[in-house]
Order: sequence, then structure tokens, then C-alpha cells
Amino acid sequence: DTAVSQTPKYLVTQMGNDKSIKCEQNLGHDTMYWYKQDSKKFLKIMFSYNNKELIINETVPNRFSPKSPDKAHLNLHINSLELGDSAVYFCASSQDGETEAFFGQGTRLTVV
Amino acid sequence: SQKIEQNSEALNIQEGKTATLTCNYTNYSPAYLQWYRQDPGRGPVFLLLIRENEKEKRKERLKVTFDTTLKQSLFHITASQPADSATYLCALASYSSASKIIFGSGTRLSIRP
Repeated sequence: DTAVSQTPKYLVTQMGNDKSIKCEQNLGHDTMYWYKQDSKKFLKIMFSYNNKELIINETVPNRFSPKSPDKAHLNLHINSLELGDSAVYFCASSQDGETEAFFGQGTRLTVV
Repeated sequence: SQKIEQNSEALNIQEGKTATLTCNYTNYSPAYLQWYRQDPGRGPVFLLLIRENEKEKRKERLKVTFDTTLKQSLFHITASQPADSATYLCALASYSSASKIIFGSGTRLSIRP
């Protein structure tokens, strides 16, 4: 049973399109995150949610809109995609928000 | 601004030796320091956590030290094996920044047979 699953694994799309990445965790955790890992492999936090409530928004462009319909799901919608959005996006969850994060397998987004 | 530095981008050592990775931080008072392992094409996997009031933590061949005065953690893998080859990430969280874990840029460790 996959603990944190995100779909799709790969996403290739044209500039200007809108796309979504879905994430689900079956660990019963209260906190979920989105991270972006760029080509230099630096893992940067974008958002965190606790019990469906936005806690952290790390100055991410408002083209990125996370949505948490319940505490087991945190989806990421991206409008008007740009070349610079190309990266690997990871969803993660943690019971208490500060320790032992469990990561999904990542979504490699390529904007052409 | 807060900064986490893993000051070796890559480390290459002989099988059987001890690998030592360094994590330094500035402008931060972490409550927890964590180490993760990331393999190519996969998400990071949690390895160990050490709290601000702990000096050392061990798990099998892994050992982590935490010096809040030096603002530094050392991560050791003893009796290293080629299967230990991966990127290792240091991560911090604090009481004042709830629901936020920030990561260093990682050290790519290669163990040669």
C-alpha cells in the first residue's frame, strides 16, 4: 500500500496551459506539503496544509493554487504554465508538521 | 535569511570506510534536525531525527550528531557499502515555523567497491 501517492508521474505540456497534480496520503497525517525540486536538485517548500487549512505559502506565484478537499488529499493546480515551472514536484505528509515527512514519488513536469 | 548548507556537493569514498557528511545552518534555531536519503527518480526517505537537546543519535550503521553552538550536524555511515550511494539531505524544523520543514541542497555520496 503506497503511503503518499501522486499522479501523474510525468507531465509534458505546452506553455500557457493549465494542469493539475493530485496527491493522496493514507497515513492519517494532519499535515501535507508541496515541494519543488529544480534541476540543481534543491528541494524548496511551496505550501503546507494542516487539516485542510493553508499554513505556509512560500511566496509562490499565484498561478499555483493548492486545494485540500480533505486532510488526506492535497492537489496542486497550475495556471498559465511557464518554461521555468519545469521541475519535479513532490507531495509529502507528516503527522505533526515538523518531523518525519513521507514523500510521494514525484511528478516530473516539463513545459515546452 | 535562513540558510542550510551541505558543504560537499559530492563525496566519493571507498567501500568499508566511514562516510561523514556535514550540515551547517545560519539564522535558524531548529527544534529538530533530520536526515533523508534520496535515490535518483525517487522521493526523499526519512532516516533519522535528532532534537535540539540531544547530542547524538544512532540507528544501525548511521550516526548523527547535533551541535547547536556550532550550528552543525554531522551524519556518519560506518562500514559503507555501494548500496549506500545516494543523495543525503539535511532538513530542519523549528517550533516557531509550524508545518515547515526546510531542506539543504544535499550531498551526493558515491561508495566505490
